[in-house]
Amino acid sequence: QKEVEQNSGPLSVPEGAIASLNCTYSDRGSQSFFWYRQYSGKSPELIMFIYSNGDKEDGRFTAQLNKASQYVSLLIRDSQPSDSATYLCAVKGAGNMLTFGGGTRLMVKP
Amino acid sequence: SAVISQKPSRDICQRGTSLTIQCQVDSQVTMMFWYRQQPGQSLTLIATANQGSEATYESGFVIDKFPISRPNLTFSTLTVSNMSPEDSSIYLCSVAGRNTGELFFGEGSRLTVL
Repeated sequence: QKEVEQNSGPLSVPEGAIASLNCTYSDRGSQSFFWYRQYSGKSPELIMFIYSNGDKEDGRFTAQLNKASQYVSLLIRDSQPSDSATYLCAVKGAGNMLTFGGGTRLMVKP
Repeated sequence: SAVISQKPSRDICQRGTSLTIQCQVDSQVTMMFWYRQQPGQSLTLIATANQGSEATYESGFVIDKFPISRPNLTFSTLTVSNMSPEDSSIYLCSVAGRNTGELFFGEGSRLTVL
């Protein structure tokens, strides 16, 4: 069974710090990796995607992928209270379906 | 990204009744996906709705409980039948992006079954 694992948290960081969110996946054939942010009571919104090993940066967000270790992470620099949300990792396998992790709840404290 | 509208946004339902959720997309899409998010949980795919054919259901979900319609390329409905409190969830309609394979979600329909 294809699995995507995340620490449920909550991960608490002070405002201005770097938040590091981690995700591991079991399907070695996975090709695409996505990070979604979900505010309480809202639907998930896509914030990053990554296909290739290494880092991908977009503003304050950096996605990191290591296919050999089956590991993908999301770094949020200069964390703001508005970043407080649940972050969902999603992995797309050969079957073109997304499998979601359980999500990590991030709390950024002023 | 597509604009996806769902209704109702929320509803309180009685045990044993059925409710139909509508999903409208602002562009034509081949596949539409229905997800469930139970309280405090992540997203679970219920089924994939293809225009002109039967929906494809994931393990643990059956057509009698979650009938789906897909009359055209911009619209789909999901019915939650004979509801019980365990069906209290957020139900999300989604479509795939054109180029990168990501999913875009509607606002969700929050159902509470008493």
